[in-house]
Amino acid sequence: EPEVTQTPSHQVTQMGQEVILRCVPISNHLYFYWYRQILGQKVEFLVSFYNNEISEKSEIFDDQFSVERPDGSNFTLKIRSTKLEDSAMYFCARSTQGDRGYGYTFGSGTRLTVV
Amino acid sequence: SQQGEEDPQALSIQEGENATMNCSYKTSINNLQWYRQNSGRGLVHLILIRSNEREKHSGRLRVTLDTSKKSSSLLITASRAADTASYFCAIAGTYKYIFGTGTRLKVLA
Repeated sequence: EPEVTQTPSHQVTQMGQEVILRCVPISNHLYFYWYRQILGQKVEFLVSFYNNEISEKSEIFDDQFSVERPDGSNFTLKIRSTKLEDSAMYFCARSTQGDRGYGYTFGSGTRLTVV
Repeated sequence: SQQGEEDPQALSIQEGENATMNCSYKTSINNLQWYRQNSGRGLVHLILIRSNEREKHSGRLRVTLDTSKKSSSLLITASRAADTASYFCAIAGTYKYIFGTGTRLKVLA
């Protein structure tokens, strides 16, 4: 059983629509992250989340993005009004110790296609 | 920039040969990780090496770290066709890891 489950595995949406990507880590995880990877390009950091607050976010993570952990379990990334350039693989990751030496466990990703 | 830069960008070898990939970075680090990604798939954590370590092994994988040169290498010995993938180094930041651009490894059977 994967330690981090992402749903859906693939989502197609119309430009301008809102999408919510979900991540279900094991309950004792403290640190959560979202990364994205545009096809054929590098893995880019979006946001880190600790103790129900954003710890750090990148320039990519603008006002159209938001994250929350609404029920203490699911960790979601919302894109309010999708653009064509939001098409990418989105990866959720978790860690029990932040960056202090234990690495991440990544989910298998959600492929978002904006048409 | 804290980003790691891998080289080569692409590497093609015969099955059974060793593959070496390098990662260079610019700032001081706490630790560095290597990940593997099969085409269109997720990221699989391979090895984490801390700044006070010089070498780590895991099966056919060997990772070295030279903090004086700000570089790391990943060696895959006795490569197999199934090792075909992209390999990324990731540099530990304050609340995140920054990934390098990756090396695309192709192992020919």
